[in-house]
Amino acid sequence: ETGVTQSPTHLIKTRGQQVTLRCSSQSGHNTVSWYQQALGQGPQFIFQYYREEENGRGNFPPRFSGLQFPNYSSELNVNALELDDSALYLCASSLTGGAQETQYFGPGTRLLVL
Amino acid sequence: GESVGLHLPTLSVQEGDNSIINCAYSNSASDYFIWYKQESGKGPQFIIDIRSNMDKRQGQRVTVLLNKTVKHLSLQIAATQPGDSAVYFCAEWGSARQLTFGSGTQLTVLP
Repeated sequence: ETGVTQSPTHLIKTRGQQVTLRCSSQSGHNTVSWYQQALGQGPQFIFQYYREEENGRGNFPPRFSGLQFPNYSSELNVNALELDDSALYLCASSLTGGAQETQYFGPGTRLLVL
Repeated sequence: GESVGLHLPTLSVQEGDNSIINCAYSNSASDYFIWYKQESGKGPQFIIDIRSNMDKRQGQRVTVLLNKTVKHLSLQIAATQPGDSAVYFCAEWGSARQLTFGSGTQLTVLP
């Protein structure tokens, strides 16, 4: 186990709703990255938070937003949910978010949008 | 742009045989590569990594080979066991300061 935890494990929402997913990083890690993994695909980078600031963003619209708290836990918020947002959402923690640094993944939150 | 691709979507091997999973990448500026294993219902698990200044790196039963000339990465698993059945992803760290994953190879270990 990596020590990275996520909640909830599963979630069902309807189109247009908003959702908040949570992640607790591994002890000693101050960086959290979020990924979206569609069925049968590899994870896609959404954004990264380092010391409570966004530190890089992938090709996702602004309705995907996040927060990082002083204890380095993090939230992913998705507004105006669309059917295509159905996926496994993964968070990964790392020491400082630097290059060539191993990222350790949590078990993910499975989101289904109806 | 950056992309990471895998040659085969599925691979079946007999228990005890060696497995080789291949991966191609397109960004010659990528300087760090990682192999992850993902079991059903779980998040990706780090297996082994390699930096671009290396050609080979060995771990416990696993070896990663990097050929920068043809932009190819491979993961070798020795004496494959039933617990090795999973989806394997290669990922690269490139100039965009983000991990880019391939689409994965499903490894099935046959008894």
